[in-house]
Amino acid sequence: QVQLVQSGAEVKKPGASVKVSCKASRFSFDSRGISWLRQAPGQGLEWMGWISANNGHTSYAQKFQDRVTMTTDTSTNTAYMEMRSLRSDDTAVYFCARIRRFQTEQWLAPWGQGTLVTVSS
Amino acid sequence: QPVLTQPPSASASLGASVTLTCTLSSGYSDYKVDWYQQRPGKGPRFVMRVGTGGIVGPMGDGIPDRFSVLGSGLNRYLTIKNIQEEDESDYYCGADHGSGNDFLWVFGGGTKLTVL
Repeated sequence: QVQLVQSGAEVKKPGASVKVSCKASRFSFDSRGISWLRQAPGQGLEWMGWISANNGHTSYAQKFQDRVTMTTDTSTNTAYMEMRSLRSDDTAVYFCARIRRFQTEQWLAPWGQGTLVTVSS
Repeated sequence: QPVLTQPPSASASLGASVTLTCTLSSGYSDYKVDWYQQRPGKGPRFVMRVGTGGIVGPMGDGIPDRFSVLGSGLNRYLTIKNIQEEDESDYYCGADHGSGNDFLWVFGGGTKLTVL
């Protein structure tokens, strides 16, 4: 089974950048790519975007287009999500999730354990 | 893009059954929805995908067969039978929207299931 292990918690000041990593235990041919999502304290899930496992194609939610960059390092099976110009309302747990492909369907499985990013002056 | 609506809370007694509902916005009755379970302090876990014809594809890893799904009209249901303490979680429904490489995911607000 593929497992996703994320980097540890971060504390950043407003205006700074953060880069979160997500390492897959092994390459999986039924993966379409990696999605990134976040969950603010006590809130629901918010999709941020995804990156293709095949060609590095990215697509971001409109809300994050100007501040987020998603990349992968195929040599280490690791995906990265970098967010710039952090604000206090970016404080959240950030999740990576594999886009599992099944015939013409896709869903998010598995998920990483989450990385808490705290933005505070 | 669709909007997914979930009641904020539900409860059921140990050993009983409960059905959680996810309602798609008008015009999206052909959409499939994924159910995710999130235990306190953990990352979400895929439960299963559901359309109007029922389950789509395999269940998520480690999901017991006490979990089942149905779909009708704009509603997608997750039923849990013989509820156990370990089932106390937040349950989210999500749907992908778009095609090819141009897609996004939307989620409902989640239902907090309390086991009494």
